[in-house]
Amino acid sequence: SQTIHQWPATLVQPVGSPLSLECTVEGTSNPNLYWYRQAAGRGLQLLFYSVGIGQISSEVPQNLSASRPQDRQFILSSKKLLLSDSGFYLCAWSASRRETQYFGPGTRLLVL
Amino acid sequence: GQSLEQPSEVTAVEGAIVQINCTYQTSGFYGLSWYQQHDGGAPTFLSYNALDGLEETGRFSSFLSRSDSYGYLLLQELQMKDSASYFCALTGGSGNTGKLIFGQGTTLQVKP
Repeated sequence: SQTIHQWPATLVQPVGSPLSLECTVEGTSNPNLYWYRQAAGRGLQLLFYSVGIGQISSEVPQNLSASRPQDRQFILSSKKLLLSDSGFYLCAWSASRRETQYFGPGTRLLVL
Repeated sequence: GQSLEQPSEVTAVEGAIVQINCTYQTSGFYGLSWYQQHDGGAPTFLSYNALDGLEETGRFSSFLSRSDSYGYLLLQELQMKDSASYFCALTGGSGNTGKLIFGQGTTLQVKP
């Protein structure tokens, strides 16, 4: 069966510091991978998606970037965090763009 | 564009049946998904309708009518642990990457 991992689970970072969040998927090959952010009490906003190694598309202009160095690894980064980057970051995978998505446990980021 | 509407809150008693409706506007999509999210947790996949009709998974059922731009999630034999937020989401259609467009969520409160 497929599983999706994210780490760290929680993170407190000062404004202006760098960020690296990691997501890995097991039990599947060539998944579509997605990064979402959820603000408190709100729905999910898609940040990035990837259909293959090195292929990244951004949905929303922002202070973040994403990379996919391996088939089942997806990384969310920032060079300098802003207060507005605080939120719940969720990685998701799907077998294809037609199929539903499954979420990882998420990383709760607080920027102070 | 694409948008979904769901009630913001629903209250029901333990053992009852509750239906959470979702209406949407879109020019095309692959399917309608339902997710459950407890406070502080990640969304967990409940059900997916690629075709019109009813999908049943244990106590949960989901329905889709493309002609009516409407779907619903039906929860039977409600339990206290069903208290959570429920999101409907469209899996993007033609020309899309398969990204999920989420509704704002329905908070279900189950009372004894």
